[in-house]
Amino acid sequence: KAGVTQTPRYLIKTRGQQVTLSCSPISGHRSVSWYQQTPGQGLQFLFEYFSETQRNKGNFPGRFSGRQFSNSRSEMNVSTLELGDSALYLCASSLVAGDHGYTFGSGTRLTVV
Amino acid sequence: EDQVTQSPEALRLQEGESSSLNCSYTVSGLRGLFWYRQDPGKGPEFLFTLYSAGEEKEKERLKATLTKKESFLHITAPKPEDSATYLCAGGGYNKLIFGAGTRLAVHP
Repeated sequence: KAGVTQTPRYLIKTRGQQVTLSCSPISGHRSVSWYQQTPGQGLQFLFEYFSETQRNKGNFPGRFSGRQFSNSRSEMNVSTLELGDSALYLCASSLVAGDHGYTFGSGTRLTVV
Repeated sequence: EDQVTQSPEALRLQEGESSSLNCSYTVSGLRGLFWYRQDPGKGPEFLFTLYSAGEEKEKERLKATLTKKESFLHITAPKPEDSATYLCAGGGYNKLIFGAGTRLAVHP
């Protein structure tokens, strides 16, 4: 059974650029959540999608956005990158919305220079 | 404000030396207390969910317990492969509120 797949694994971008990260959930899972992990702040919630609808959003600026497709795959986008956006971005999937017994992917390590 | 605090930040044990990790929480409308394990370079791996005070769950050398304000992860006779960061999280509405984690190192 395939796990949660995140691409790319590593990414280096320059300040001011934008980036798109991709997440394919476990087959059959319809809920996808995104978290940012940094040494200083730990894991912080970005957003949750279920059936192509954003159900909740964390306390991040509008530069952070996301979407979910009909096949449950999800993407998140960060525009006008800042140095502080350097982090591990984790995608987590679950069968239904509100189920926090997530299966996480291995993450995308974003470095902004 | 919702908050989850874990202690200690780091713990070094000898193989076979049992210990406990602490997680104190203040999460309004708590919908479960979650424990995850994270290995370097990987995403967190789900371990347990506890829903009510007094509940206990076990998996191999790990046992999680829950009170109204705290949760404990007891590690009995740990092995080097138990070395990892253990994350505690409170289930709020539509999201998890994570603690900073406890880095556990078990030495032979």
